[in-house]
Amino acid sequence: DTAVSQTPKYLVTQMGNDKSIKCEQNLGHDTMYWYKQDSKKFLKIMFSYNNKELIINETVPNRFSPKSPDKAHLNLHINSLELGDSAVYFCASSQGPGQEHYGYTFGSGTRLTVV
Amino acid sequence: EDQVTQSPEALRLQEGESSSLNCSYTVSGLRGLFWYRQDPGKGPEFLFTLYSAGEEKEKERLKATLTKKESFLHITAPKPEDSATYLCAVQVASGGYNKLIFGAGTRLAVHP
Repeated sequence: DTAVSQTPKYLVTQMGNDKSIKCEQNLGHDTMYWYKQDSKKFLKIMFSYNNKELIINETVPNRFSPKSPDKAHLNLHINSLELGDSAVYFCASSQGPGQEHYGYTFGSGTRLTVV
Repeated sequence: EDQVTQSPEALRLQEGESSSLNCSYTVSGLRGLFWYRQDPGKGPEFLFTLYSAGEEKEKERLKATLTKKESFLHITAPKPEDSATYLCAVQVASGGYNKLIFGAGTRLAVHP
């Protein structure tokens, strides 16, 4: 299946721990994103990479560090987790700058719960 | 500040009862308006992109329209399987690239 896949789907961890979320897309897209959906259901962009290059970096604590080893993969590492980091994190991809009219494809999300 | 507001927050319809969802926006430079459908526990699923005032797009029972200040998602004769959260997002410039700014969504429930 062509898709954006994220792992893990659920992540429960204690405050202060470090965790990673992985994302892979097999759509051949050039651009990948991380979005955070909070308890009020707002989806907010965090980061975007185009061909492994960071192009969008919103106001996000530097405890969050994205890494893109190649254009098909985008990972998110979070250090020193806090209660407020609890949310659903979505990975997405698009064909590339100027071609977003084809739509952004989202993964199914990773529900992070910090206790 | 760029902002997207969707109304109503929640909508309950009887099967076959047509209605419209609203998305109003204030942005410095619109580079497209997107509609997505999100089912519980899943990621948003792309429905439409609109770029110009007056533009309309249709898909099955859904029709999206765009004006200079807002967009409507019209649902004609909805079925229970249309129940979902519908998200509106505007695409704006960000440092030479584009990003999406989402509204909070409208939760639609269609009952038989």
